[in-house]
Amino acid sequence: KQEVTQIPAALSVPEGENLVLNCSFTDSAIYNLQWFRQDPGKGLTSLLLIQSSQREQTSGRLNASLDKSSGRSTLYIAASQPGDSATYLCAVCPLGGATNKLIFGTGTLLAVQP
Amino acid sequence: DTGVSQDPRHKITKRGQNVTFRCDPISEHNRLYWYRQTLGQGPEFLTYFQNEAQLEKSRLLSDRFSAERPKGSFSTLEIQRTEQGDSAMYLCASSLGGTDAFEKLFFGSGTQLSVL
Repeated sequence: KQEVTQIPAALSVPEGENLVLNCSFTDSAIYNLQWFRQDPGKGLTSLLLIQSSQREQTSGRLNASLDKSSGRSTLYIAASQPGDSATYLCAVCPLGGATNKLIFGTGTLLAVQP
Repeated sequence: DTGVSQDPRHKITKRGQNVTFRCDPISEHNRLYWYRQTLGQGPEFLTYFQNEAQLEKSRLLSDRFSAERPKGSFSTLEIQRTEQGDSAMYLCASSLGGTDAFEKLFFGSGTQLSVL
């Protein structure tokens, strides 16, 4: 059974700091891995999608990497800003399942202090 | 296009009552998903439609739950005889669909259900 774990559960950093969020998964048989952002009481916003054949994806100050063989992904946020404060969720799409039948981690709650 | 819309945003009900939620996906999206999220947890997959066909249901979706997408546009999720354990955020998402598994999901803001 696929399990997704995110470390740390919570993180507080001063504005301007670079930071890394970690995600691990137990089964490497995946279509893709996705990172989402969730603001309090809101839905999810897709940040980055890494296909199983890819190693990383970049969007602005965000860079996500994927090491499928070791079951790990990282989300790197450069020059953090208070507006980055949110919960960041990692999710994998297992092979053989419905498209976007995602299995999520429990998230990392990020607070960026001004 | 205003994105995925869900109604209502909040629903408070008494145990044993029936509730129905509505989701309007992005207009050209033919795939629609329902997820459930409890406090401190990531979302869990419930069910998935391609156009009007319900193609997969999670074991989480007991007999008290039913979802429809009658014309391949909006969808409804009904919970009969609600229980306190049904309290959660119910999230709807849509995607464009196609043969490629690599799709971007667009989520609505969710319906927060509280069962008293």
